Amino acid sequence: GAVVSQHPSRVICKSGTSVKIECRSLDFQATTMFWYRQFPKKSLMLMATSNEGSKATYEQGVEKDKFLINHASLTLSTLTVTSAHPEDSSFYICSAPKEGRSYYGYTFGSGTRLTVV
Amino acid sequence: AQSVTQLDSHVSVSEGTPVLLRCNYSSSYSPSLFWYVQHPNKGLQLLLKYTSAATLVKGINGFEAEFKKSETSFHLTKPSAHMSDAAEYFCVVSEEGGGNKLTFGTGTQLKVEL
Repeated sequence: GAVVSQHPSRVICKSGTSVKIECRSLDFQATTMFWYRQFPKKSLMLMATSNEGSKATYEQGVEKDKFLINHASLTLSTLTVTSAHPEDSSFYICSAPKEGRSYYGYTFGSGTRLTVV
Repeated sequence: AQSVTQLDSHVSVSEGTPVLLRCNYSSSYSPSLFWYVQHPNKGLQLLLKYTSAATLVKGINGFEAEFKKSETSFHLTKPSAHMSDAAEYFCVVSEEGGGNKLTFGTGTQLKVEL
């Protein structure tokens, strides 16, 4: 149980275009979704926290207009990388607390490898 | 504020020998602590978690970790390494009072040699 489905797993896009990444909770309601980015050979860095029905909270240094997050329903959160550039190439992963509390652990999407050419 | 420090960026062991991956944390609240493993080109997989119950936590694939509050440590161990254990391991802390945010360590690359 508590599965998060993330799509696409890999995407290659041209510089200047936008890419949307979806994370969908399949068997539970994800009122909160965390979006992470992993740079090569680095740890995961929290980008933003999305809450259903409200604006996302972005971490310091993350551009809100570049990384648009929408959490319109209890089962779907999306991250859109707008006007992508090669430096946006990275591994993006979403995560949601099971049952809404960290006590029960977290479930992660399988990640999206974005390559901007 | 919470933070986590993984003391070794790389650990190399021989197959069949013990594994020790070190992690120290700091937390303003009672923390939950996790170890995740990431194999190449794969998503994260939870190995085990500590959430204020038993201090010795047993996880999957023979891994276990002991929560030591006095030492603020949560080291990951396994009695006998297998080739399939080669991966990146992340120690993670979460505070109930911190909005459920996860803070990741920088990761430890485990190499298992024949």
